[in-house]
Amino acid sequence: DAKTTQPTSMDCAEGRAANLPCNHSTISGNEYVYWYRQIHSQGPQYIIHGLKNNETNEMASLIITEDRKSSTLILPHATLRDTAVYYCIAASGTYKYIFGTGTRLKVLA
Amino acid sequence: DAGVIQSPRHEVTEMGQEVTLRCKPISGHDYLFWYRQTMMRGLELLIYFNNNVPIDDSGMPEDRFSAKMPNASFSTLKIQPSEPRDSAVYFCASSLGPQVETQYFGPGTRLLVL
Repeated sequence: DAKTTQPTSMDCAEGRAANLPCNHSTISGNEYVYWYRQIHSQGPQYIIHGLKNNETNEMASLIITEDRKSSTLILPHATLRDTAVYYCIAASGTYKYIFGTGTRLKVLA
Repeated sequence: DAGVIQSPRHEVTEMGQEVTLRCKPISGHDYLFWYRQTMMRGLELLIYFNNNVPIDDSGMPEDRFSAKMPNASFSTLKIQPSEPRDSAVYFCASSLGPQVETQYFGPGTRLLVL
C-alpha cells in the first residue's frame, strides 16, 4: 500500500466545512483512496472511497487531484459529532489496509 | 439493528493466560473480520471469514492466535498463551458482501496483558 501523509491535527468551527488533506504521492494505478474515521473509544467507520473521480455520499465529498497524488475529504457542515481521528488510506485490496496516525479533527462550538 | 457486538469490552489478564474474545456480526452479513489496533502498528487485519470459512489468515501474528467461526452469528479470537505485546484493541467487523462500504466495525475489546 502507498504511504499517506496527513496533518496531525485540525480545528474547524461548527457549521463550517472541514477540509482534510492527504498526500499519497506514491499511489499506484490500481490503488483506491479510502477515508475512515474513528470517534473516541469506538470502532473505525467507513466514510468514502474513490479511484480517480470525485465522489460524494451522504457523509462527505472526496476530491482527488488529477495526478492522484493527493486528495481532500470535505465534511460540508461539520458538527460536534464529527470530532474524530480521520484516516486516509491508499490501498489496492479491500480490508488489509493499515491505518496510520491520521488527522485529529476537533470541531469547535 | 444492534450492530456488531463484541465481548468483553475490556480484559485484563496476566501473561501466560488464555484470552478469548467474542464477536456477534450483524445479521445477514456474510463476511467477518478481526483487526488489531496499536499505537505502534495502527490497525491491522488479522483474519477474515466468508460464510464461516477462513479466507485469509496471513495477518495472524503467530500460532498463539487462533480464530473460529462455528456459525454465521458467532466468532471467537483466542490467544494462548497471552503475552504483554498482545496488548491492543481488537476489533471485529462484518460486511454484506465484499464491498468495503458495507463493512461495519464493533466497539472493540481493549486487552491488557500484564
